[in-house]
Amino acid sequence: ELKVEQNPLFLSMQEGKNYTIYCNYSTTSDRLYWYRQDPGKSLESLFVLLSNGAVKQEGRLMASLDTKARLSTLHITAAVHDLSATYFCAVANMDSNYQLIWGAGTKLIIKP
Amino acid sequence: DTGVSQDPRHKITKRGQNVTFRCDPISEHNRLYWYRQTLGQGPEFLTYFQNEAQLEKSRLLSDRFSAERPKGSFSTLEIQRTEQGDSAMYLCASSPFGRGAYNEQFFGPGTRLTVL
Repeated sequence: ELKVEQNPLFLSMQEGKNYTIYCNYSTTSDRLYWYRQDPGKSLESLFVLLSNGAVKQEGRLMASLDTKARLSTLHITAAVHDLSATYFCAVANMDSNYQLIWGAGTKLIIKP
Repeated sequence: DTGVSQDPRHKITKRGQNVTFRCDPISEHNRLYWYRQTLGQGPEFLTYFQNEAQLEKSRLLSDRFSAERPKGSFSTLEIQRTEQGDSAMYLCASSPFGRGAYNEQFFGPGTRLTVL
């Protein structure tokens, strides 16, 4: 059974700092997704990672995928307050028609 | 706006009443998903359709929940005899699935249900 773990679950940091959120999963998959959710809002797609070694960047966020280690990272560079949100990773379950299995989310608070 | 839309955005009901939610997906997307989300948790899968076929329903889902997608376009989610534990945000997502598509799910704004 595919399980997805994120850590940390909560992160409070100062503006200008760098940090990394980790997403581990338990069985083979070739697709991983990162989403952002603001309080009381729906989910916004950030990145789709499709192959080993994939790296995608958008502004201060960079996501990478290591399918051999079953690990994805979401790196935040020089954080700004606007990046405060909850970040979810989701992994495609290849044994179940590529349904997404979701991590518990990382609540990120960036203090000005 | 060509994104996923949901209606209503908020619903307050009394315990024991039935409620129905609607989701209009992005028009060219063949997959449609329903999720439930409670505060501080990730999305919980409920069911999904590929075109008009309901391909999977969560084993944890009560028989009080039913969903349809009659013509492979919009979908409805009905909850019968609502309970206070049904209070949550109900999210709909759609995705393209098939050759060359990566099943990236695009979410609607959600319907927030409060059962009194």
